[in-house]
Amino acid sequence: QQQVKQSPQSLIVQKGGISIINCAYENTAFDYFPWYQQFPGKGPALLIAIRPDVSEKKEGRFTISFNKSAKQFSLHIMDSQPGDSATYFCAANTGRRALTFGSGTRLQVQP
Amino acid sequence: NAGVTQTPKFRVLKTGQSMTLLCAQDMNHEYMYWYRQDPGMGLRLIHYSVGEGTTAKGEVPDGYNVSRLKKQNFLLGLESAAPSQTSVYFCASSSRDRGPAFGYTFGSGTRLTVV
Repeated sequence: QQQVKQSPQSLIVQKGGISIINCAYENTAFDYFPWYQQFPGKGPALLIAIRPDVSEKKEGRFTISFNKSAKQFSLHIMDSQPGDSATYFCAANTGRRALTFGSGTRLQVQP
Repeated sequence: NAGVTQTPKFRVLKTGQSMTLLCAQDMNHEYMYWYRQDPGMGLRLIHYSVGEGTTAKGEVPDGYNVSRLKKQNFLLGLESAAPSQTSVYFCASSSRDRGPAFGYTFGSGTRLTVV
């Protein structure tokens, strides 16, 4: 049972475009929603995170949009660059429980 | 500032062999985790620990055992390796404090192939 569903599985975007990755969750007890970025041969690294008391969080070119009623959250990468090419994972948890991850999105930004 | 270190980085096992993956962290984190990463399935939790001497099962614990005898180390064991355990294994740690900077620190992974 996958508690966090992520789409699309892969994404190709032109340099300067907007990359959008979506996640949906089932457990209404989740209270922390991070995104992780993983480059080939490396472990995932925390990119940005949001808690359900806000609808949007922006850090540089990266923005999380959160829709609590729809139980959905998304990552927007503005002005996408070739260096953003990586695999992105959404995740969620509650309290001190371990993170539950989505299935990942492989992003390719073409020059 | 090593963070989370995993050894070995690569390993090939024959079916039925056993091995131990070692994870060490130097951030004094209370929580440690073992995940496996498979194509199209994301990261799935195998076992985790909320403190020295304590462990708990995650989503896919079968075929694995763990131990946390010291706070900084978390060991993942495969008693009798199977081809289905071919995967990339990631260790992660986190602080018990879920303040603004909360997040997991991951190691660089162990690529295990069982033939």
